Amino acid sequence: AQRVTQPEKLLSVFKGAPVELKCNYSYSGSPELFWYVQYSRQRLQLLLRHISRESIKGFTADLNKGETSFHLKKPFAQEEDSAMYYCALKGSSNTGKLIFGQGTTLQVKP
Amino acid sequence: GAGVSQTPSNKVTEKGKYVELRCDPISGHTALYWYRQSLGQGPEFLIYFQGTGAADDSGLPNDRFFAVRPEGSVSTLKIQRTERGDSAVYLCASSLGTGVQETQYFGPGTRLLVL
Repeated sequence: AQRVTQPEKLLSVFKGAPVELKCNYSYSGSPELFWYVQYSRQRLQLLLRHISRESIKGFTADLNKGETSFHLKKPFAQEEDSAMYYCALKGSSNTGKLIFGQGTTLQVKP
Repeated sequence: GAGVSQTPSNKVTEKGKYVELRCDPISGHTALYWYRQSLGQGPEFLIYFQGTGAADDSGLPNDRFFAVRPEGSVSTLKIQRTERGDSAVYLCASSLGTGVQETQYFGPGTRLLVL
């Protein structure tokens, strides 16, 4: 079965501290993985995708197939990073269907 | 340009009633998706359209739920005989296609409350 697990509902850090939002997935093939973010009173939007291997707003995520993980990291958190973060899996390039994790609220304190 | 829009933004109905939720995708996007997000959960896939046809409706929970996209643009999600458990935020998204580099753009959602 295809599944995405985000074990932390809430992650609270101080400004300037490193951040790691955990994501584990279950999928038998080669997955496509994404991180979506929802800022307060805004709509859900794509943050980054593993295939692009890019850094967006200082965030990076590396796909680890051995550990079936796609953790989101940022070395120095900013207050404006406070938001809800969802990890998502697309199981096949023939369908756009996304499977989301439950989400992690990141709270960055001043 | 305009993003994905959804109407109404909020809908309150009584148990047993019929509701329709509308989604206007970004112009030119051939793929359209519906998701449902219950409180404290991530979005859950319902159905996706490629053009006018439903390419994958595996997420529809039962036959009370139905969606159409007759002209390959606007889509309507229809829920018959609503139940309290249908209360959720219904999200619509659209994308140019379904390839590896395609991005799904989400609408603001319709918050449905069934009393």
